[in-house]
Amino acid sequence: GENVEQHPSTLSVQEGDSAVIKCTYSDSASNYFPWYKQELGKRPQLIIDIRSNVGEKKDQRIAVTLNKTAKHFSLHITETQPEDSAVYFCAASMEAGYGNNRLAFGKGNQVVVIP
Amino acid sequence: NAGVTQTPKFRILKIGQSMTLQCAQDMNHNYMYWYRQDPGMGLKLIYYSVGAGITDKGEVPNGYNVSRSTTEDFPLRLELAAPSQTSVYFCASSYSFGQNEQFFGPGTRLTVL
Repeated sequence: GENVEQHPSTLSVQEGDSAVIKCTYSDSASNYFPWYKQELGKRPQLIIDIRSNVGEKKDQRIAVTLNKTAKHFSLHITETQPEDSAVYFCAASMEAGYGNNRLAFGKGNQVVVIP
Repeated sequence: NAGVTQTPKFRILKIGQSMTLQCAQDMNHNYMYWYRQDPGMGLKLIYYSVGAGITDKGEVPNGYNVSRSTTEDFPLRLELAAPSQTSVYFCASSYSFGQNEQFFGPGTRLTVL
């Protein structure tokens, strides 16, 4: 099945700086790539997702870029704020009919924004 | 809409006891999931369901059972609890399988002593 890896495991940034988290995936058939944010003690919530027919998607201070050739996608957070401190999970899945199309999650990145 | 709800929020079990974690959603989603999240780790799929009466195993199904008698409810049963089942359990639902947003419940923190 799909294998998703995230790097770095922990990222500390100064408030106002940018943060970038990278994920790699193993199956070239994967076509859906969401990012979830989990604040301490809370449930994971979707913050942005991208499909393989586009290379970049933005939503205010967050963006996701996709490199299908290299099989990696990245989350970019600009002008970081203390409320961006959380664990971020990337995930990948493929369309039905391409084998196991479960959503495969990475292990998560801890982002700490230092005021 | 309440979204996805879970009960209880916390539970302590003794080794060998059994319990059922409740999950309900009011979004009319066909797809529902149970995950466990161990400290510092990601989400591991225990079981999932593609509709009422249809369930299937995920990555880590041993020690658990599920049923899906209605679209709304997807309970997770733990039989003969073991310390290795100490974890936070999340239920989730989605409109499609793997290709759309999964909505998570608030989680159940389970400790087995």
